[in-house]
Amino acid sequence: ELKVEQNPLFLSMQEGKNYTIYCNYSTTSDRLYWYRQDPGKSLESLFVLLSNGAVKQEGRLMASLDTKARLSTLHITAAVHDLSATYFCAPGGSQGNLIFGKGTKLSVKP
Amino acid sequence: EAQVTQNPRYLITVTGKKLTVTCSQNMNHEYMSWYRQDPGLGLRQIYYSMNVEVTDKGDVPEGYKVSRKEKRNFPLILESPSPNQTSLYFCASRPRGQKLTAHHSPLHFGNGTRLTVT
Repeated sequence: ELKVEQNPLFLSMQEGKNYTIYCNYSTTSDRLYWYRQDPGKSLESLFVLLSNGAVKQEGRLMASLDTKARLSTLHITAAVHDLSATYFCAPGGSQGNLIFGKGTKLSVKP
Repeated sequence: EAQVTQNPRYLITVTGKKLTVTCSQNMNHEYMSWYRQDPGLGLRQIYYSMNVEVTDKGDVPEGYKVSRKEKRNFPLILESPSPNQTSLYFCASRPRGQKLTAHHSPLHFGNGTRLTVT
C-alpha cells in the first residue's frame, strides 16, 4: 500500500526567503504530481514528474523527483505572499489513482 | 470550457436523510474519483471509476455509494448520512488509456461540495 509523507505540514516563511517541502512515498510509483490549493478553493495541478531526476520549474517554484530515494521536493525561491497556499504531493498508485499527502500549509509573511 | 462540475457547492442536512452530490465532466474522461478532505488528514479517496459501469472502493468507502451509468456523470450517494461525514468533497477526473499522455495526465478537480450533517 502506497503511503505518502509530507514535511513540514505547516510552514511560515518571510518574503524573500527560500525553503523546501519534502514528499516521501513508500512504494515505487511511475509519476508524481504537485498540486496547490488556495483557501476555500479547488486543487490546481502544478507539476507532473515522470522520471528519475526530473526537474520542473514554474516561476519561484521548482519540483524534483528522485525515484530511487522515493523522494520529491518542492523548492520555493524568494517567497512572495502570493505563494501562500496549501501544497500537496501525490504519487500515482497502481490503479491509476493518486495518493495524496496531508499537505503543507505555507504562509508567507512580509 | 473543460471542467468538472459539482453540485451543490454547500449542503446542510440532518442525520439519516438521503442525499446525492452530482459530478459531471465534459472532457470525455474515462477515470473519475471522489475524495473527501478533512483538516489534518489531507485528501482521502472514497470511490473511483475506471470507466462506465466500473467502480471500485477507495480508502474510505463506508457510508457512500456511487454509480457510473454514463461516462460524464459520477454521483456520490449518502444513503443515511451521519455527522462524521461532514467534510469537503471533491470530484475529479482524468483520461485513462494506453497512451502515455493519458496515463500521465493530472486529475482535474471540481470546485468542491461542503457538506454538513447535523
